[in-house]
Amino acid sequence: AQSVTQLDSQVPVFEEAPVELRCNYSSSVPPYLFWYVQYPNQGLQLLLKYTSAATLVKGINGFEAEFKKSETSFHLTKPSAHMSDAAEYFCAVNPLRGSYGKLTFGQGTILTVHP
Amino acid sequence: EPEVTQTPSHQVTQMGQEVILRCVPISNHLYFYWYRQILGQKVEFLVSFYNNEISEKSEIFDDQFSVERPDGSNFTLKIRSTKLEDSAMYFCASSEVGGEDTQYFGPGTRLTVL
Repeated sequence: AQSVTQLDSQVPVFEEAPVELRCNYSSSVPPYLFWYVQYPNQGLQLLLKYTSAATLVKGINGFEAEFKKSETSFHLTKPSAHMSDAAEYFCAVNPLRGSYGKLTFGQGTILTVHP
Repeated sequence: EPEVTQTPSHQVTQMGQEVILRCVPISNHLYFYWYRQILGQKVEFLVSFYNNEISEKSEIFDDQFSVERPDGSNFTLKIRSTKLEDSAMYFCASSEVGGEDTQYFGPGTRLTVL
């Protein structure tokens, strides 16, 4: 079965420090991969997605992620954290190309940003 | 910018009661979804809906759940006889097409079953 693992439940960083949120997937075929962000009391907002074009994907708010097939990873990075980045981040996979889009989510990573 | 809306934002109900959660997807979208997130757990897929029928459903989506698109704008999730374990945040999502297309999520309805 396809799955997503987010290795860290919480990641604390200082403001202006680099951010890396880790995501590993298991899938029998190269999947579609997504990162969503959830701010308090809000829905899930798409940050970026990988759909087999470029392996380095740029998203909103300065985030990017690199698809590494050999490592089955899709880690989310940002060179410099802002206080406004504090939120919960979810990695998700759509393992069945051409399917109706069922997403399987990871457990989520809470990013805290300290001044 | 168009967005998915959900009502109510918070629903409190007694065990055994029926609830209907409402969603208005983005107007030109064709695929609709329900997910739920029990407090402290993952976001879980419940069901996808296309062309007025269920495309896929998870093991969670048993006979007590149903979905409907009663008119051209609303998409509803009905839970016939709520249980304590149905307490969760329920998210509606929609996408223009299926597959790799971006799913746009609503803000969620927090369901509390007492």
